[in-house]
Amino acid sequence: EAQVTQNPRYLITVTGKKLTVTCSQNMNHEYMSWYRQDPGLGLRQIYYSMNVEVTDKGDVPEGYKVSRKEKRNFPLILESPSPNQTSLYFCASSVGYVGLDTEAFFGQGTRLTVV
Amino acid sequence: AQKITQTQPGMFVQEKEAVTLDCTYDTSDPSYGLFWYKQPSSGEMIFLIYQGSYDQQNATEGRYSLNFQKARKSANLVISASQLGDSAMYFCAMREGNTNAGKSTFGDGTTLTVKP
Repeated sequence: EAQVTQNPRYLITVTGKKLTVTCSQNMNHEYMSWYRQDPGLGLRQIYYSMNVEVTDKGDVPEGYKVSRKEKRNFPLILESPSPNQTSLYFCASSVGYVGLDTEAFFGQGTRLTVV
Repeated sequence: AQKITQTQPGMFVQEKEAVTLDCTYDTSDPSYGLFWYKQPSSGEMIFLIYQGSYDQQNATEGRYSLNFQKARKSANLVISASQLGDSAMYFCAMREGNTNAGKSTFGDGTTLTVKP
């Protein structure tokens, strides 16, 4: 079954404690992306990757890191989480090239609370 | 900078009727893709339909169609024969293909309520 898998689904952590949210896709997609969703602000892109070892900043990259060492995985790293990073996070993947995209897949979401 | 505007925060439609959700976009990139997603109250994001900037015909997927008017930079979603299960938040999104290839922008969303 084609899917994007995020882990964990829910996480409560303390300020400053490094954490990683994993994202894995099984469709051999080249494009992967991370978003955060906050009430009243819609979805905002954090980072995206067009291929292995190619990553770029979205609109809200501050406080986040990503890596794309292999095609299927795109982890989101919060080196020193702060309460303003409390949010719902989504990972997504698709073929990636305009004109070839026919469907985009999202993970189930990770609800992160930083206290 | 790319921008997506959804001007309808909330919409109501009677069951079995058609409804149009508005989306306008702004980009200077000649190559881009437009997406619509549904987010039910359970929170997951569900892909509905995709339109590429070079596609000559409007995209359709079952009861969903995208009314793509390139000159007006609009990409409205049309849902035909609404069902109670269509009640959800709907997001329009765009991804650029050249200058900032891969950068995505979402609109603020439209909450659709289908009335029985």
